Amino acid sequence: EIVLTQSPDTLSLSPGDRATLSCRTSQSVSSNYLAWYQQKPGQVPRLVIYGTSNRATGIPDRFSGSGSGTDFTLTISRLEPEDFAVYYCQRYGSSPLYSFGQGTKVEI
Amino acid sequence: QVQLQESGPGLVRPSGTLSLTCTVSGASISNSHWLSWVRQPPGKGLEWIGEIYHTGNTNYNPSLKSRVTLSVDNSKNQMSLILTSVTAADTAVYYCAKAGAYNLEVWGKGTAVTVSS
Repeated sequence: EIVLTQSPDTLSLSPGDRATLSCRTSQSVSSNYLAWYQQKPGQVPRLVIYGTSNRATGIPDRFSGSGSGTDFTLTISRLEPEDFAVYYCQRYGSSPLYSFGQGTKVEI
Repeated sequence: QVQLQESGPGLVRPSGTLSLTCTVSGASISNSHWLSWVRQPPGKGLEWIGEIYHTGNTNYNPSLKSRVTLSVDNSKNQMSLILTSVTAADTAVYYCAKAGAYNLEVWGKGTAVTVSS
């Protein structure tokens, strides 16, 4: 089973800062198969990035994704107040088909 | 636009059976991609449970496979989740989600289930 490890667990930043979130996988993952979700308190997870670097519908361009192999990154160029949330990376593959990282909380 | 709505009992007794339904609106389930169930225990992360296609084909998380059954009712545009022999560890918000290209692109609002006597 591929394990996804996100770091850091918590990122304490201010509005306007740049946020860099890491997701490392225990085995190499195709770039097509790596996605990121945003979840605000009490809300539903929302797809942010798919296929490593493609923004989902309605996601502003301050969000970007990159990476390959076992190292992937979600970058928020300039944090807005609404960006403070928990972010999960997700990998599609086998056994199980979808697996998630433990999440990174971006807090003020 | 596809919308998903979960429904079912909010309280299940230990050792009992959890049964939830996901109703799809805005599109025929027969034209949809795979539909998944994902759960999130209080204060914890996301766990994928399994997925089903309108044909009835399924894929399950090996960690839950022995206790999970997914089914689909195309006439009602619904899919269902049955989880047997529940314990407190199954307490969670349960989401249904529509798959995109190797991701889960549309999510329902979720339904909270507590396992308690």
